[in-house]
Amino acid sequence: GAVVSQHPSWVICKSGTSVKIECRSLDFQATTMFWYRQFPKQSLMLMATSNEGSKATYEQGVEKDKFLINHASLTLSTLTVTSAHPEDSSFYICSASSATARGYGYTFGSGTRLTVV
Amino acid sequence: AQSVTQLDSHVSVSEGTPVLLRCNYSSSYSPSLFWYVQHPNKGLQLLLKYTSAATLVKGINGFEAEFKKSETSFHLTKPSAHMSDAAEYFCVVSTRGSSNTGKLIFGQGTTLQVKP
Repeated sequence: GAVVSQHPSWVICKSGTSVKIECRSLDFQATTMFWYRQFPKQSLMLMATSNEGSKATYEQGVEKDKFLINHASLTLSTLTVTSAHPEDSSFYICSASSATARGYGYTFGSGTRLTVV
Repeated sequence: AQSVTQLDSHVSVSEGTPVLLRCNYSSSYSPSLFWYVQHPNKGLQLLLKYTSAATLVKGINGFEAEFKKSETSFHLTKPSAHMSDAAEYFCVVSTRGSSNTGKLIFGQGTTLQVKP
């Protein structure tokens, strides 16, 4: 079945530094990648959608300069949290889908727990 | 616009008893609906999905859900709860019907507690 590998699974960084999170689709071409944020005991909130080779589309209220998304290849998308602050601490999850392998549906990564200190 | 409402934020059952997690949806066209499960600090695992085929959908781990258009519901059930079923469950609707390039709209989640 479809697998999305997300790394790192957890990261602690100092306030003001940047953190990069990677999501790789291991056995299919991820034409679309979705990035979500999840606060404790809450649901997933879509941050942005990216199609391979195109600029990401951000949801309302999400700062595109703070959350940089790159989807340069069909198997890799990255989310970079720039100049991180404690309020950026959260659980980030990616999800990949393929327009060419529709049977795979949406496949989620295992998530990244970001703690900014 | 599409939306989902999970009617219970918390459900508690005893091991071996039936599970019912309720979900209502709103969609301007024939929706694709999903149920996902999330264990603590983990990603999401697909339990089952409805994409306009059979209205009774069977998923993994003994779960199933029935799409009822007249009631705009997609409730998740399991005949007998297991301790390992304790987790967070999300009802989800896609914004583009059967296409898997649409956005997923998540319900607020239901915490399932299973008591021994």
